[in-house]
Amino acid sequence: EDQVTQSPEALRLQEGESSSLNCSYTVSGLRGLFWYRQDPGKGPEFLFTLYSAGEEKEKERLKATLTKKESFLHITAPKPEDSATYLCAASGGSNYKLTFGKGTLLTVNP
Amino acid sequence: SAVISQKPSRDICQRGTSLTIQCQVDSQVTMMFWYRQQPGQSLTLIATANQGSEATYESGFVIDKFPISRPNLTFSTLTVSNMSPEDSSIYLCSVEGSGTDGYTFGSGTRLTVV
Repeated sequence: EDQVTQSPEALRLQEGESSSLNCSYTVSGLRGLFWYRQDPGKGPEFLFTLYSAGEEKEKERLKATLTKKESFLHITAPKPEDSATYLCAASGGSNYKLTFGKGTLLTVNP
Repeated sequence: SAVISQKPSRDICQRGTSLTIQCQVDSQVTMMFWYRQQPGQSLTLIATANQGSEATYESGFVIDKFPISRPNLTFSTLTVSNMSPEDSSIYLCSVEGSGTDGYTFGSGTRLTVV
């Protein structure tokens, strides 16, 4: 059974304090590893898709990386507007189903 | 990427009643997905809806409780039937993105059953 585990559950940073979020996955035949941002009362907003180990993608202050067992979302010099829940999801094999982790609630204090 | 309109955005319902949630996509898509997000939990796939065929339900979800319609390539509905307080959740629809875009989600329906 596919599993996705995110850590930490919650992370509180000061503005400008860089850190990383972890996503460990167990998926047969990874088709894609996805990162989403979710603000309160809204649906998940797509950030990145990673397809193979060694791949990296960047967007503003965010950088996602992928290994064969885990993915990291690096946040460089975060701002208060980066506060949100960050979700990781994986799909594997011939199944289009996404398996989600529980998310990391990030709070960035000014 | 596709734009999804989902409604209602929230509702408070009496136990024993049913609620139908609608999702409209601005482009034709083969598959639409329905998820549930319970408080403090991750998103869980309820079913996959293909146009012209019956929806495929995940383990733990049944058609009698969550009937789904998919009348065309841009629209789907999910009904939550005979509701109980345990059905209080956020319900989301999703479609697969094009190219390297990830799956796109609607804004969600926050359901409270009293």
